[in-house]
Amino acid sequence: QVLLMESGGDLVKPGESLRLSCSASGFTLSGHYMGWVRQAPGGGLEWLSYIFPAGFPTYYADSVKGRFTISRDDARNSVFLQMDSLKVEDTAVYYCARPLEVRGFYHGFEYWGQGTLVTVSS
Amino acid sequence: EIVMTQSPATLSVSPGERATLSCRASQSVGTDFAWYHQKPGQAPRLLIYGASTRASGVPARFSGSGSGTEFTLSISSLQSEDSGAYYCQQYIGWPPAWTFGQGTKVEVK
Repeated sequence: QVLLMESGGDLVKPGESLRLSCSASGFTLSGHYMGWVRQAPGGGLEWLSYIFPAGFPTYYADSVKGRFTISRDDARNSVFLQMDSLKVEDTAVYYCARPLEVRGFYHGFEYWGQGTLVTVSS
Repeated sequence: EIVMTQSPATLSVSPGERATLSCRASQSVGTDFAWYHQKPGQAPRLLIYGASTRASGVPARFSGSGSGTEFTLSISSLQSEDSGAYYCQQYIGWPPAWTFGQGTKVEVK
């Protein structure tokens, strides 16, 4: 059974940093693309970042480019999101997610964690 | 960036009736397109990918259609557990920038 579990969400002040973790179980992380998606309170879904199986390349939404860094540690079956220079508008539930792979092509996110809440407020 | 626009914003349907949701892309995404369902307090669930293929375990009352810029999700006989928010998503292009629509909230009367 594929499970993803995020952790690290917290209440922080604007300008501070936070590191989110996503622990994967039920499958071997290496060889899988992984991503992060967030959802502001009462809002919709926003794709944030994507990391390839080798750890590179990585891709980011314009809203977080230059501030957020995605990484992975396959030995620990974990994916991370380092968030720097946090803004009030970064307040959201953050999900890690694994894409659906069908014959070598990727089709949206099949598996999601339960999410971790990040609140940025002074 | 490809912008996804969903309509209507909210939809209220009686149990057993059909619900039809729409999504429009600002440029062609072919069939690199998905639908998700999200209940309050839960993570989204992938319903449809490739514009028309049901994901594993998704009931047959859900069907997707469309290609290019216009897409439709139909729920043939709405049940109470189908309430919640529905999101569309495109996943075309390189490098990947998988944008979502703003969502349609479905209420089962």
